[in-house]
Amino acid sequence: AQSVTQLDSQVPVFEEAPVELRCNYSSSVSVYLFWYVQYPNQGLQLLLKYLSGSTLVKGINGFEAEFNKSQTSFHLRKPSVHISDTAEYFCAVSLRGSNYKLTFGKGTLLTVNP
Amino acid sequence: SQTIHQWPATLVQPVGSPLSLECTVEGTSNPNLYWYRQAAGRGLQLLFYSVGIGQISSEVPQNLSASRPQDRQFILSSKKLLLSDSGFYLCAWKPSGSNTDTQYFGPGTRLTVL
Repeated sequence: AQSVTQLDSQVPVFEEAPVELRCNYSSSVSVYLFWYVQYPNQGLQLLLKYLSGSTLVKGINGFEAEFNKSQTSFHLRKPSVHISDTAEYFCAVSLRGSNYKLTFGKGTLLTVNP
Repeated sequence: SQTIHQWPATLVQPVGSPLSLECTVEGTSNPNLYWYRQAAGRGLQLLFYSVGIGQISSEVPQNLSASRPQDRQFILSSKKLLLSDSGFYLCAWKPSGSNTDTQYFGPGTRLTVL
């Protein structure tokens, strides 16, 4: 079975600073990888996804993530964060050829301070 | 375009009372449908998924059940709520037959069991 580990439960940063949210996964087969964002009391919104091809994936709101197969990682980055980026971020995996179930990490709360 | 609705948005129920949460999707046919629960500090847990009318798969044993009486309607129910059923319930859909495995989430229902 696959699993997802988000190494940091909370990440506080100052506005305009760079940020990296870490995600590692475990799976014996090929996977699809996703990052979702959840603003307070709202549903989840897809930020970006890796299906195949280039290992650097660009998403919405200036975020990007890099798939590293050897390290089984899919870290999320943004070079300069805004107050509005304050939210919870979830990494998720789905097995290729599966019945399309997502396995989520426990989430990382990103707090951007002025 | 496709939209997903959940209601109610918030709900406060006493222990032992019944539950019915509804999720509907517009603008697509034969979607895969999912129910997740988000409890404090535990990330998102997949509860049920459905690939068609009347087809329900349960991921974890629990006090809840799900039904899909119509193609784009997914209902989460309980006969007697427990305190541990409190949480944020999210419905999601995914296009059937898609290889991209992107799930789209509804706005969620905040359930408090007292």
